[in-house]
Amino acid sequence: QQQVKQSPQSLIVQKGGISIINCAYENTAFDYFPWYQQFPGKGPALLIAIRPDVSEKKEGRFTISFNKSAKQFSLHIMDSQPGDSATYFCAASSGGGSGTYKYIFGTGTRLKVLA
Amino acid sequence: EAGVAQSPRYKIIEKRQSVAFWCNPISGHATLYWYQQILGQGPKLLIQFQNNGVVDDSQLPKDRFSAERLKGVDSTLKIQPAKLEDSAVYLCASSFGDDGYTFGSGTRLTVV
Repeated sequence: QQQVKQSPQSLIVQKGGISIINCAYENTAFDYFPWYQQFPGKGPALLIAIRPDVSEKKEGRFTISFNKSAKQFSLHIMDSQPGDSATYFCAASSGGGSGTYKYIFGTGTRLKVLA
Repeated sequence: EAGVAQSPRYKIIEKRQSVAFWCNPISGHATLYWYQQILGQGPKLLIQFQNNGVVDDSQLPKDRFSAERLKGVDSTLKIQPAKLEDSAVYLCASSFGDDGYTFGSGTRLTVV
């Protein structure tokens, strides 16, 4: 119940295309869903996050779509660029509000954007 | 704002040896986390501190791993004795309020 399932494991997209990464969870107590981007040799960096009271959140070329009833959420990268090539992790957590989030991470998606 | 500092960046040790990692979180961040990231996998929480108290260490292998956060600021994670399966990147993160985590660049441990 504490798992977050992420797919696909790897993704190759042409420059300018749309990259889509999906995650699913079981624990209905999760109330915060961030996406992290990780470049080789670096720690994960927060990209965008959503709470279950909205179905979509957009920041620049990055959009999270959230389906509460299906317990699924996805990351869409519009106009994908070679600089977006990285590993992306979804995560989920519950609680927080006092800075005590405990994230459960997905297994990661390695994205390669071809020039 | 300075980020989360970790050292060393890399460490190679033989099995059964001991090793320690250091983390300095972002100033003012009360919550500090240690995560283990095995190659090809997502980070897995080892221990979570709130100030200098442990909030969650349920996934810390306590027979060999220990961690402390003195004075609610810096933290050290120790492994003694190390096993081959401890080879991983050890990530430290800190957070404040409802903001997401900020991760350090990690320490890559290789146990041979």
